[in-house]
This record gives sequence, structure tokens and C-alpha cells, in this order.
Amino acid sequence: DQQVKQNSPSLSVQEGRISILNCDYTNSMFDYFLWYKKYPAEGPTFLISISSIKDKNEDGRFTVFLNKSAKHLSLHIVPSQPGDSAVYFCAARLIIQGAQKLVFGQGTRLTINP
Amino acid sequence: DVKVTQSSRYLVKRTGEKVFLECVQDMDHENMFWYRQDPGLGLRLIYFSYDVKMKEKGDIPEGYSVSREKKERFSLILESASTNQTSMYLCASSLWGVLHFGNGTRLTVT
Repeated sequence: DQQVKQNSPSLSVQEGRISILNCDYTNSMFDYFLWYKKYPAEGPTFLISISSIKDKNEDGRFTVFLNKSAKHLSLHIVPSQPGDSAVYFCAARLIIQGAQKLVFGQGTRLTINP
Repeated sequence: DVKVTQSSRYLVKRTGEKVFLECVQDMDHENMFWYRQDPGLGLRLIYFSYDVKMKEKGDIPEGYSVSREKKERFSLILESASTNQTSMYLCASSLWGVLHFGNGTRLTVT
């Protein structure tokens, strides 16, 4: 039962163009969403987040959009740079008896071509 | 800057061995987590802990146990390692919201 899904295992984008990574979820109790970036042989690092009460959050080249009615979020990177090549995970937070639990998607491997 | 340290980057163990994966964080965080990462499956939660001596099962706890005797240390134990536990293991800690991850331990069980 995959509550958070990233349906594209990989994405290839030209340098300078926009990268759009998508994520769908099923549980309406998620209250907070995050994107992580992971390079090989390193742990995931936090990129950007959004609360369920918002529909957009922007941080430099990165923007996250949340569509609650569609249970869909997306990460936009513009302009894309070679250093953005990595695996991107979306995650959703659930609060259970006062403790937080993050549920992750399968990941999307982004490749930025020069 | 938060530092989460996993004691080993690479481990090779034999089937049936008892395996300990250690994780230490330096930010006095209440919450600590163990995930495993497998291709096509993303990060799956094994166990988490929101306080010393407290533990909760995640989504795939079978074959694993944990120990949290001190706030800064969270250990993952494979009681009897099996080949299907070959994976990348990631430890994380958080106060609230953002999880901070270690660099992972790649465990191979032969």
C-alpha cells in the first residue's frame, strides 16, 4: 500500500530548462510535505517543504506546488543546472499519537544534460 | 549544523549473524528513525523512536529490533541476518518536521 507515489522513475532535462517532478498521495491526513535530494553514497538532504494549508512555497530556483483536491504535489526547478542531477524523494508527514512519521515516495532520478 | 553519524559505511555479514547498526546524533533531537532504501521502493520506515526507551514499529519491522538507551543513540539490530536484508540503511533524527539523515550503511548479507 504505497501512500506516496512518484510515478516517474527517471527524468532527463536540458540544462537551463525547467524540471518538473511529480508526486501523488492517498492519505488526506498528511499535514506537511517535503522534498529531499540524494546523491550517490550520501544521505538524503532536505530541499524544500510545504504545509498542507498552503498551495505554493518558493525558495530560489525551487518551487513546490500543492493541489490538495487532487492529492498531488510537484517540485519545479528553474533553471536546471548540472548539479541538480540526483535522485529526488517526496515525503509526507503523518502525526500518530503525538509522534511524527514521514512516508516517502519511490524517488525520481533527475539527469540534467549540458 | 545537525550531524547524524552512522558507524559503518559498508558492512558484509553472513546469513544468520546478529548485526548491529549504530547511529548517533549531536542535536539533542527527540525523534530518531531507521529507514532502508531499495531500488524502485524508495525509503521505507523500519522503526522510529520519539523518546529514550520508546520505540514504534514502522512499515516493515519484521526481522528487526531497535534500542534507544540514550537520547543521542539509536541502534538497529538484525537478530538473524538474511539475504533479503541486503540494503542501504539510513538513520535520521528530527526535532519536528525536517528529518536529518546520516550517510547510510550499505549492508550486504551473503
